[in-house]
Amino acid sequence: EAGVAQSPRYKIIEKRQSVAFWCNPISGHATLYWYQQILGQGPKLLIQFQNNGVVDDSQLPKDRFSAERLKGVDSTLKIQPAKLEDSAVYLCASSLIAGGESSYNEQFFGPGTRLTVL
Amino acid sequence: LAKTTQPISMDSYEGQEVNITCSHNNIATNDYITWYQQFPSQGPRFIIQGYKTKVTNEVASLFIPADRKSSTLSLPRVSLSDTAVYYCLVRSYNTDKLIFGTGTRLQVFP
Repeated sequence: EAGVAQSPRYKIIEKRQSVAFWCNPISGHATLYWYQQILGQGPKLLIQFQNNGVVDDSQLPKDRFSAERLKGVDSTLKIQPAKLEDSAVYLCASSLIAGGESSYNEQFFGPGTRLTVL
Repeated sequence: LAKTTQPISMDSYEGQEVNITCSHNNIATNDYITWYQQFPSQGPRFIIQGYKTKVTNEVASLFIPADRKSSTLSLPRVSLSDTAVYYCLVRSYNTDKLIFGTGTRLQVFP
């Protein structure tokens, strides 16, 4: 089965510019996550969608970050305007369902988008 | 969600068994212990998950004592390709939320 797709793989922008990342989850996966991973650290959850509704966006810097998941499939994450400290890898993950003890809640990660803000 | 504590780094040699211990003192009754592996320039990959006692799959074993305040990931006979960062996480039963720490950087030498 195809994995989680992300694009672009790399992006270099100057501070105060805008940038958008795209994620296509595994077909049929209801739950989608965006993570930010700064060099040397573990991934930090930014936002979690269940279908096209937001489950958790408590760590999303809403003054500059936004995300949407129209029609409950693809998702985009936008940064506007970017700051130097936004330089990181942005990971998208998906799972079949959320919650419970089933193995269906395993999260599958995409390769990430490496953002460099100059 | 309970925070986890694990060693920053570990070294091993090919063919050895590697045990990475993680503490999660404040784990909630319904939460699960999950381990992920991450190679450079890739997203994390699920290894194993458990609730109590022992879980084994084709890649690893996970040992969880009765009090569930810690867990041990066991990798049998590691190879060079097992060099990676290993994350111990507590997964929320209700939301699947994962909180990643800095992980354990495992280096396997020939």
